[in-house]
Amino acid sequence: DGGITQSPKYLFRKEGQNVTLSCEQNLNHDAMYWYRQDPGQGLRLIYYSQIVNDFQKGDIAEGYSVSREKKESFPLTVTSAQKNPTAFYLCASRVSYGQENEAFFGQGTRLTVV
Amino acid sequence: SQQGEEDPQALSIQEGENATMNCSYKTSINNLQWYRQNSGRGLVHLILIRSNEREKHSGRLRVTLDTSKKSSSLLITASRAADTASYFCATPNFNKFYFGSGTKLNVKP
Repeated sequence: DGGITQSPKYLFRKEGQNVTLSCEQNLNHDAMYWYRQDPGQGLRLIYYSQIVNDFQKGDIAEGYSVSREKKESFPLTVTSAQKNPTAFYLCASRVSYGQENEAFFGQGTRLTVV
Repeated sequence: SQQGEEDPQALSIQEGENATMNCSYKTSINNLQWYRQNSGRGLVHLILIRSNEREKHSGRLRVTLDTSKKSSSLLITASRAADTASYFCATPNFNKFYFGSGTKLNVKP
């Protein structure tokens, strides 16, 4: 089945640690996105990538980093510079050309600082 | 700087009633999309309406778009308890893809 997979589902981070959230898709999509969702809030764009080896900052990129070495994979690292990382993180992908393409989402990773 | 803002923030209705939620956006768009999110899960695409369309239907969903007011509405008819979820509008903006703040719908059985 084609889809987008995020792992782990739950992640706990100690203060000062970097953690990496995985996002893999087998939909052959060029574009991939990372969003952060706080309780009862909407989605805020962290980073996005339109093509392998290229990515751009979204609205809240500070304290986060990404890589796009393979088309299928777009991992997000939450660094120690992110002061309030506890949130629900969602990865999405879509066909990049044209704007009439829907986004497909993973099931999310819930990150908690302990 | 999100593109879309939904209202109301929360809506509680009885099963069988209709639910209407609204989305306002800031800049010109090519299309507007609605998504649903069950609690603690990813979002799922519901329907897309192009900028040259005024109304679109899909099953129990009816979407309208008023580009002069930069607004859209999603109507769910004959709601069911299973419709309980958060609903978001989304606006593609070239390479970015922005989502609104969402409407949390609770359908009571």
